[in-house]
Amino acid sequence: SAVISQKPSRDICQRGTSLTIQCQVDSQVTMMFWYRQQPGQSLTLIATANQGSEATYESGFVIDKFPISRPNLTFSTLTVSNMSPEDSSIYLCSVDGFRRADTQYFGPGTRLTVL
Amino acid sequence: KNQVEQSPQSLIILEGKNCTLQCNYTVSPFSNLRWYKQDTGRGPVSLTIMTFSENTKSNGRYTATLDADTKQSSLHITASQLSDSASYICVVSGSTNAGKSTFGDGTTLTVKP
Repeated sequence: SAVISQKPSRDICQRGTSLTIQCQVDSQVTMMFWYRQQPGQSLTLIATANQGSEATYESGFVIDKFPISRPNLTFSTLTVSNMSPEDSSIYLCSVDGFRRADTQYFGPGTRLTVL
Repeated sequence: KNQVEQSPQSLIILEGKNCTLQCNYTVSPFSNLRWYKQDTGRGPVSLTIMTFSENTKSNGRYTATLDADTKQSSLHITASQLSDSASYICVVSGSTNAGKSTFGDGTTLTVKP
């Protein structure tokens, strides 16, 4: 399995500001995924990030709002830009499995509150 | 539209009792079905993963079943413990790309002493 860490674990931000969330994996992985989990709801995929190429965004998510970097095979960042209270969520980083590409491992999440 | 529906939405049981959570899906084609446990404030942790040919998979006190014909799965928890209190999420993937999955809304289980 993979060990995934995220920073920060939680933050409280003001409307209109931006926050960058970091995701670090202890092994090299091909695909990294960013999810949003709004209060009381399940996970929604924001984008898939492959090293060396631009992230692929799901319907309803755009690069200007959620820019993603993937500088190497163990690290990625997600920025939540120009935040509003509706962006208050848990943001989770995920990677696919090593021995089994059809499973996933998740980071602990970043709990974001926008005032 | 691919969907995953879980029931019940929430469940309260006494410590030591058994319970069964349900998952119905319409995802097609089907690659695999996974059950995750998500503790409050933590990321989901995989419990079981089943492909089309597997109809039962156990992980300690957790047993998942899959009926690919009726597109139903269940997660049975035996001899519940207080630490089982969490959200249980059913995830269905239509391809070997794990990221392209459909997530259920989860069942919130509370185990009381």
